[in-house]
Amino acid sequence: QVQLQQSGPGLVKPSQTLSLTCAISGDNVSSTSAAWNWIRQSPSRGLEWLGRTYSRSKWYTDYAVSVKSRIIISPDTSKNQFSLQLTSVTPEDTAVYYCARDPSNYYDSSGFFDYWGLGTLVTVSA
Amino acid sequence: DIQMTQSPSSLSASVGDRVTMTCRASQSISTDLNWYQQKPGEAPKLLIYDSSTLQSGVPSRFSGSGSGTEFTLTVSSLQPEDFATYYCQQSFTTPDTFGRGTRLEIK
Repeated sequence: QVQLQQSGPGLVKPSQTLSLTCAISGDNVSSTSAAWNWIRQSPSRGLEWLGRTYSRSKWYTDYAVSVKSRIIISPDTSKNQFSLQLTSVTPEDTAVYYCARDPSNYYDSSGFFDYWGLGTLVTVSA
Repeated sequence: DIQMTQSPSSLSASVGDRVTMTCRASQSISTDLNWYQQKPGEAPKLLIYDSSTLQSGVPSRFSGSGSGTEFTLTVSSLQPEDFATYYCQQSFTTPDTFGRGTRLEIK
């Protein structure tokens, strides 16, 4: 059974960097049959996919255009986890942030998310 | 980005009812459509992927159909635990995009 355990602060000041971590059990961040995603949810924007990282012959990342200039998703193979960094946050970045697994195969994303973290409410406020 | 439109936005029904909700894509997405159930304070739960494939462990009263731009999720006989919000998600192109949800309420 795959479990995703999220950690990170729930309050971030405007213009600072939001940092969250997702620790994986029951699977491996280096698996070539998975992709590891960050998704957020807010009343104004609904569910919004932010990006993913995955390992094939090398590490890859994909990001949503809406946050591409501000986001980094990176794996930590030593701790079997992956992280989200979102820089220069504003109150519009206030949301519940989820990590989630896409059980893709080596060549293609499956496109759906079968395991999710519990979510972290991140509030951007001074 | 592909826009996903769900209807209705809310739906009232009773235990035992059969309900159907719709998701429309702004362009053809083949069968790359997934459905999730979300209860308050919880993460979304995958119900159906690839338009009609039931995720392991999901009751068979849930079913999905459709291709191209129009998709439906049907619950054949509502149970008390089914009252929740349902979201569709397209995985045809990156970025994956979600609908705004259909809230299923008890009548």
